[in-house]
Amino acid sequence: DIQLTQSPSFLSASVGDRVTITCRASQGISSFLAWYQQKPGKAPKLLIYAASTLQSGVPSRFSGSGSGTEFTLTISSLQPEDFATYYCQQLHSYLMSPFGQGTKLEIK
Amino acid sequence: EVQLVESGGGLVKPGGSLRLSCAASGFTFSSYSMNWVRQAPGKGLEWVSSISSGSDYMYYADSVKGRFTISRDNAKNSLYLQMNSLRAEDTGVYYCTQQFPTDFWGQGTLVTVSS
Repeated sequence: DIQLTQSPSFLSASVGDRVTITCRASQGISSFLAWYQQKPGKAPKLLIYAASTLQSGVPSRFSGSGSGTEFTLTISSLQPEDFATYYCQQLHSYLMSPFGQGTKLEIK
Repeated sequence: EVQLVESGGGLVKPGGSLRLSCAASGFTFSSYSMNWVRQAPGKGLEWVSSISSGSDYMYYADSVKGRFTISRDNAKNSLYLQMNSLRAEDTGVYYCTQQFPTDFWGQGTLVTVSS
């Protein structure tokens, strides 16, 4: 089974900062990766799919890159509403789609 | 508008059973694979199970394999999760989702396994 490892698990940053979250897959998954944002008490929101395609309506300060086993989610200039938990998800194995363990982004 | 509404959660004793349901509307249900995802209190998202559009394929996380059964009724636009031999570690909010990657999640239903 493909495992995903996110780093860091916790990230403290300030409004206006540029932040990067990494997701590593235990084996190559081409570009079959998605990123989600989740706020407390809410269902996750899809940010990026196919590693780098921005979901409709998602601000352009979010971007994704990578392929194979290493992927990144970058927020170019943090806004107050971006403080949340972020998850990657692999979509390479049909109908078996585990998530990374999550990265909690907190206000410094 | 896509809507996914879960039901069936509640308090159950260890070793007990529950059946979760998800009522879907606003899209052609029979054309999409569907999923269950759960989240233990204060923990991350855990993929639980997926089923293909025509019920030909079902997959489960190792943590629930042999205890949970996913099914669907395309005539009723409904997804189900039969959960048997429940354990304390199965406690959490269970979400029904449309085919991954997706922005379509239900509101979740809380399952609490406790004596």
